[in-house]
Amino acid sequence: AQKVTQAQTEISVVEKEDVTLDCVYETRDTTYYLFWYKQPPSGELVFLIRRNSFDEQNEISGRYSWNFQKSTSSFNFTITASQVVDSAVYFCALSEARGGADGLTFGKGTHLIIQP
Amino acid sequence: EAGVAQSPRYKIIEKRQSVAFWCNPISGHATLYWYQQILGQGPKLLIQFQNNGVVDDSQLPKDRFSAERLKGVDSTLKIQPAKLEDSAVYLCASSRTRLGETQYFGPGTRLLVL
Repeated sequence: AQKVTQAQTEISVVEKEDVTLDCVYETRDTTYYLFWYKQPPSGELVFLIRRNSFDEQNEISGRYSWNFQKSTSSFNFTITASQVVDSAVYFCALSEARGGADGLTFGKGTHLIIQP
Repeated sequence: EAGVAQSPRYKIIEKRQSVAFWCNPISGHATLYWYQQILGQGPKLLIQFQNNGVVDDSQLPKDRFSAERLKGVDSTLKIQPAKLEDSAVYLCASSRTRLGETQYFGPGTRLLVL
């Protein structure tokens, strides 16, 4: 069965520090998709990135970067020069897309607190 | 482009009462999902629709929960009768297809069962 583990329950850093959020996943499939979502205090889940299992290229988007390593089943998320507006709960999620059933399996989330 | 719409945003009911939530997906999105998010946890899939057909309802507590998407657009999720443990945020999401495409979420309905 698929599983996502976000071992860091809460991280607190001072503004401008770099921070990495860890995500480890389990799946039996060779084709799967990984996602990161941000959930600010308002509650709405905001899509950040999608990766398929065949694309291990790391990605950078502004201050955000993602490191996908199939060898360790990890899909880590780094925020460079963090800002107070980055404070939120971040979720890593996995979809196996098996037989067309591609509902997301989420981790428990990491609560990121950026202190001014 | 309008996002996923949900209503109501908040609902308070007594246990054993019934409640219904409504979702309107992004225009053109064939796949619709309902998730339950209990406080402090990640969302959990309840049911997935492709157009007006059910793709996956393996985690839906069918003794009390039901959902429909009759015309392949809007969807309704119902709980009858509600229990205290149903207190959660109910999130609706949609995607263009069901091949691991990005799911976009609505603002959710926060349910409190007293």
